[in-house]
Amino acid sequence: DARVTQTPRHKVTEMGQEVTMRCQPILGHNTVFWYRQTMMQGLELLAYFRNRAPLDDSGMPKDRFSAEMPDATLATLKIQPSEPRDSAVYFCASGLSFGTETQYFGPGTRLLVL
Amino acid sequence: GDSVTQMEGPVTLSEEAFLTINCTYTATGYPSLFWYVQYPGEGLQLLLKATKADDKGSNKGFEATYRKETTSFHLEKGSVQVSDSAVYFCALSELSGGSNYKLTFGKGTLLTVNP
Repeated sequence: DARVTQTPRHKVTEMGQEVTMRCQPILGHNTVFWYRQTMMQGLELLAYFRNRAPLDDSGMPKDRFSAEMPDATLATLKIQPSEPRDSAVYFCASGLSFGTETQYFGPGTRLLVL
Repeated sequence: GDSVTQMEGPVTLSEEAFLTINCTYTATGYPSLFWYVQYPGEGLQLLLKATKADDKGSNKGFEATYRKETTSFHLEKGSVQVSDSAVYFCALSELSGGSNYKLTFGKGTLLTVNP
């Protein structure tokens, strides 16, 4: 049963620290999405990649957030420096871009910035 | 831009009650429509989808029909169970430049089913 995996599942850090979240998409999927979920804003798309190339990161605060795909099996989302307002659940999702639109979500990383 | 509006929750029902969660959308083209479900502590899972007008998506007793004339995709289930307690998200997908698809989500509706 293929699944998207995310690490860590939970992260508590102090303001100003760097946070790195990792995602392993389903093998063979060529599109990867990063979302942020909060009570106030709901689900927000931060960035997405196709064939490891960033296609849209307009939803991401550029000054502190960065997203990369070093290889086809790993996507990373970094926050540096972190702020309390970054506290949220961050989801990674993967899919196939050629006409199959279903996105498969990972379990999320729950981030708390103190 | 594209948007999805779904009824605000929370919705609380007794087991075996009928469920409706309303969803309407605004889109410039011909989107595909989805319902995703999020169980406590988990990521979102696809529940059902419909890709063109008048299509009906169905899964696990849930149904939704793509109504282009009313731009709606309401979720229904005839008899809910305690295990259906979750947050339900309506979403649409449209081409965003070339062959890339983006999902736009509604804010989610929390459903609680009591025994």
